[in-house]
Amino acid sequence: GEDVEQSLFLSVREGDSSVINCTYTDSSSTYLYWYKQEPGAGLQLLTYIFSNMDMKQDQRLTVLLNKKDKHLSLRIADTQTGDSAIYFCAESFGSGNTGKLIFGQGTTLQVKP
Amino acid sequence: DVKVTQSSRYLVKRTGEKVFLECVQDMDHENMFWYRQDPGLGLRLIYFSYDVKMKEKGDIPEGYSVSREKKERFSLILESASTNQTSMYLCASSSPGVTTNEKLFFGSGTQLSVL
Repeated sequence: GEDVEQSLFLSVREGDSSVINCTYTDSSSTYLYWYKQEPGAGLQLLTYIFSNMDMKQDQRLTVLLNKKDKHLSLRIADTQTGDSAIYFCAESFGSGNTGKLIFGQGTTLQVKP
Repeated sequence: DVKVTQSSRYLVKRTGEKVFLECVQDMDHENMFWYRQDPGLGLRLIYFSYDVKMKEKGDIPEGYSVSREKKERFSLILESASTNQTSMYLCASSSPGVTTNEKLFFGSGTQLSVL
């Protein structure tokens, strides 16, 4: 079945770039997503990319999609302590706009001052 | 400001109790979801609903049921709570859109402990 895999932990220094990686299995996914969960809160949509795109940039965030390898990454430039959170990669469940997502395990990003 | 509100932030229940987790959204969204979040496992879909009185099973529905009598409210029911249902429960909603149906809005979560 569909599966999304992420590494569980990443530690960086403030000001460095962070790269969070994700692999997925469902090649029919129309969109791929990055959600952010701050401590004690629910998830918030950070950014998403349409499956026919290779890259999407939004201020400090860059999303790269390698559809051949089913690999998605999120790069955060100039990482700040406020970026410390859990980051979830997610793919659509099947083709079409079902509204259902399959989430990865989440990567905890620790930003050291 | 759009909101998904979960009625309790923390709940402690005993094994065998019937537990109700309530979720209300004020965005007039058609779709509502219940996930559970466990460390190292990410989010797993329990049940979802595309409309009032409609429900569909997610990946892990065993031991749970749901109710959607009104569009804004989606309840998760644990018929007989067990210790392996100790978890963070997250409610989410979304609306069919032009570009994507999958922009989920999440509540803050309910941390349930079953003793």
